[in-house]
Amino acid sequence: GNSVTQMEGPVTLSEEAFLTINCTYTATGYPSLFWYVQYPGEGLQLLLKATKADDKGSNKGFEATYRKETTSFHLEKGSVQVSDSAVYFCALENRDDKIIFGKGTRLHILP
Amino acid sequence: DGGITQSPKYLFRKEGQNVTLSCEQNLNHDAMYWYRQDPGQGLRLIYYSQIVNDFQKGDIAEGYSVSREKKESFPLTVTSAQKNPTAFYLCASSIRRVTDTQYFGPGTRLTVL
Repeated sequence: GNSVTQMEGPVTLSEEAFLTINCTYTATGYPSLFWYVQYPGEGLQLLLKATKADDKGSNKGFEATYRKETTSFHLEKGSVQVSDSAVYFCALENRDDKIIFGKGTRLHILP
Repeated sequence: DGGITQSPKYLFRKEGQNVTLSCEQNLNHDAMYWYRQDPGQGLRLIYYSQIVNDFQKGDIAEGYSVSREKKESFPLTVTSAQKNPTAFYLCASSIRRVTDTQYFGPGTRLTVL
């Protein structure tokens, strides 16, 4: 079956630093890919998604590109803020019409 | 305001007791889901429902039960058969398919003493 692997956290950065959270996947075909974010004490929210190879999802300054050749969907942001502190989940569409979530990466941004 | 509500936010139960977690949505979504979140394990699907009066087991359905009598409601019962019920439970909904954007509730943290 399909699977997704994301970098372990926590990741700690200073404000305005460049962020990359790695996500790689194993899949048959070309499943849709997602990044969800969970702020402290809340449920998850969709951050961005891409539905086909070479698509770039973007939202709130975050970007991720669906890379078929490297089976990756890394999350990037050019200048992080304290308010970006959260847990980030990479996810993909599975063949049985379910979503598979990665284990999550906790991000701490220091002022 | 449209959204998903879960109640209560924190729940404590004694071992051996069944407990029901509430999930309500007013987004007019057909599909609803229950996930369990444990530290370091991400989210795991318990049950999902794509239409009223129908639901399917997810990856970790043992020890749980659900009902979908109304479109807007999808309660989850954690039974005494669930071996390790202490966890954070998240309810979600989507328009129709699982790959449509899922909207999550704020979660219920269940602690079994």
